[in-house]
Amino acid sequence: AQTVTQSQPEMSVQEAETVTLSCTYDTSENNYYLFWYKQPPSRQMILVIRQEAYKQQNATENRFSVNFQKAAKSFSLKISDSQLGDTAMYFCAFMGRPKLVFGQGTRLTINP
Amino acid sequence: ETGVTQTPRHLVMGMTNKKSLKCEQHLGHNAMYWYKQSAKKPLELMFVYNFKEQTENNSVPSRFSPECPNSSHLFLHLHTLQPEDSALYLCASSQGLAGETQYFGPGTRLLVL
Repeated sequence: AQTVTQSQPEMSVQEAETVTLSCTYDTSENNYYLFWYKQPPSRQMILVIRQEAYKQQNATENRFSVNFQKAAKSFSLKISDSQLGDTAMYFCAFMGRPKLVFGQGTRLTINP
Repeated sequence: ETGVTQTPRHLVMGMTNKKSLKCEQHLGHNAMYWYKQSAKKPLELMFVYNFKEQTENNSVPSRFSPECPNSSHLFLHLHTLQPEDSALYLCASSQGLAGETQYFGPGTRLLVL
């Protein structure tokens, strides 16, 4: 069974700093998808970024980028120029066949 | 945030009550999901529907009964729940099951007394 591990339960950085959230996963599949979702306090879970495993190029979305290391089964999220609105729970998720499996989440706080 | 809606947003029920959670998606998707989000636990997939047909039941107790009358609506019928069923129940939808992104609703915060 696939598992997703987020080793940082909580992180805190100052506004405008860069922060990296780590995620590792375990699978025997070769074709799969990886996601980072953001869940602000008392608000809806929204997609931050998505990566197809067959693509070698790391996905980017404005200030958000990933470092996808397929051999190491690692999928970290980098947030550049962090903003107060980035404060949220961040979930790493793996999609194989056919389920979406989530990690435990990292609570990120951006301090002014 | 109106792509996937859920009602009610909050629900308190006794263990002998029967209630239903509703989810509606306005994205033209074909697949819908129920997840359970408990404190200090990863999101747990409960059910998957694709084109109104259930494709996944993740060993969910029978006191949770899903219903999918069409591709836009998904219900979760609740009866004789236990206090440990208290959680945030999230609905999601996606275009299909082939790796498409899932879009989530705001959730129903359920408290079972």
